[in-house]
Amino acid sequence: DAGVTQSPTHLIKTRGQQVTLRCSPKSGHDTVSWYQQALGQEPQFIFQYYEEEERQRGNFPDRFSGHQFPNYSSELNVNALLLGDSALYLCASSLGQLAGGETQYFGPGTRLLVL
Amino acid sequence: QKEVEQNSGPLSVPEGAIASLNCTYSDRGSQSFFWYRQYSGKSPELIMFIYSNGDKEDGRFTAQLNKASQYVSLLIRDSQPSDSATYLCAVNKGSNDYKLSFGAGTTVTVRA
Repeated sequence: DAGVTQSPTHLIKTRGQQVTLRCSPKSGHDTVSWYQQALGQEPQFIFQYYEEEERQRGNFPDRFSGHQFPNYSSELNVNALLLGDSALYLCASSLGQLAGGETQYFGPGTRLLVL
Repeated sequence: QKEVEQNSGPLSVPEGAIASLNCTYSDRGSQSFFWYRQYSGKSPELIMFIYSNGDKEDGRFTAQLNKASQYVSLLIRDSQPSDSATYLCAVNKGSNDYKLSFGAGTTVTVRA
């Protein structure tokens, strides 16, 4: 049973560039959430995708955008990178339910360093 | 006030002892509660989830939930050096709120 996969594992970018991170959910899951975890901090919710739509968004600027494909995989795009975007980006998959509360399983993460 | 608060730690326990981790949450309507373990440089790994008041046991781990006191805890029995990690408490409000809100984590060190 394949778990959540993310690519790439590590990435180095410079300020102002754009980056795309990818996630494939756990087999049987249809919902993908993205979190940002700065060094020494707890994960912060970016957004969640269900049925190819963003159904909830956290307190992140519009520079952060995403997409979900028909096979439930997802991308996170960040434009105009800032030094403060350096973090571990976590994808979590779950089986979508109408009201929330489903268990989320995290992938290994993508570590982004912005220079 | 943060939505989820954990005892700050770090927590150091001898091998074989019980480690007790605490978490409080601010929204009385919160419905789902999770404990994740995160090793340094790795992603969070689910240990337990609990939805109802009372205790839930899984191997050496016991989660306890008291909704009236807005309190959830995790006990690790017979602590092993491999349990040394940061433990994250996460809460979901439900009612069409899908995000997990995390506490800052408690770092546990098990001394051999």
